[in-house]
Amino acid sequence: EPEVTQTPSHQVTQMGQEVILRCVPISNHLYFYWYRQILGQKVEFLVSFYNNEISEKSEIFDDQFSVERPDGSNFTLKIRSTKLEDSAMYFCASRMTGGHEKLFFGSGTQLSVL
Amino acid sequence: DQQVKQNSPSLSVQEGRISILNCDYTNSMFDYFLWYKKYPAEGPTFLISISSIKDKNEDGRFTVFLNKSAKHLSLHIVPSQPGDSAVYFCAASAGSATNKLIFGTGTLLAVQP
Repeated sequence: EPEVTQTPSHQVTQMGQEVILRCVPISNHLYFYWYRQILGQKVEFLVSFYNNEISEKSEIFDDQFSVERPDGSNFTLKIRSTKLEDSAMYFCASRMTGGHEKLFFGSGTQLSVL
Repeated sequence: DQQVKQNSPSLSVQEGRISILNCDYTNSMFDYFLWYKKYPAEGPTFLISISSIKDKNEDGRFTVFLNKSAKHLSLHIVPSQPGDSAVYFCAASAGSATNKLIFGTGTLLAVQP
């Protein structure tokens, strides 16, 4: 079965540094998402992306966050200046249509900000 | 703002018995509900879903029940197997342009052999 691929699986960074988390969604999917899960908490929506633009974002997704689909296959999440509270597991997800179709999730990137 | 709540952080059942995982929601605009299963170091994987126009959906050992008046849904697994041991997330969407999912906090199911 096709899958969403995320790299790296673990990322350790110093507070204030920029990080880029990478995702390759399933090839014929059109809707892309980033979610995160802080340890012991629920999976939280960050942002959705369709037709090369952000379609919705949460309060968490402030000016320090940005997303990009630079080449038609990769989907990236950038955090410009990381904070300790950005430490979490970040999941990329995709779906083919915008309707009530299941999301396919990647295995996640564990981000640790020191 | 906990629109989707799973009040039981953990559940332990014996192999072969029924597992019942519960989920409550507050947003009456939710019109689609899903259950995801998550193993450690993996992303959530879709298990089963139900539309708000139905009250039951069954797929093999998994059945989801929806009680709209109570804003409650439950996932039944019968018979439970050790491989079912995982964290189960309830999720809901409200038919927005993006159909983003709102997740609950999860229930850790342990099926004892």
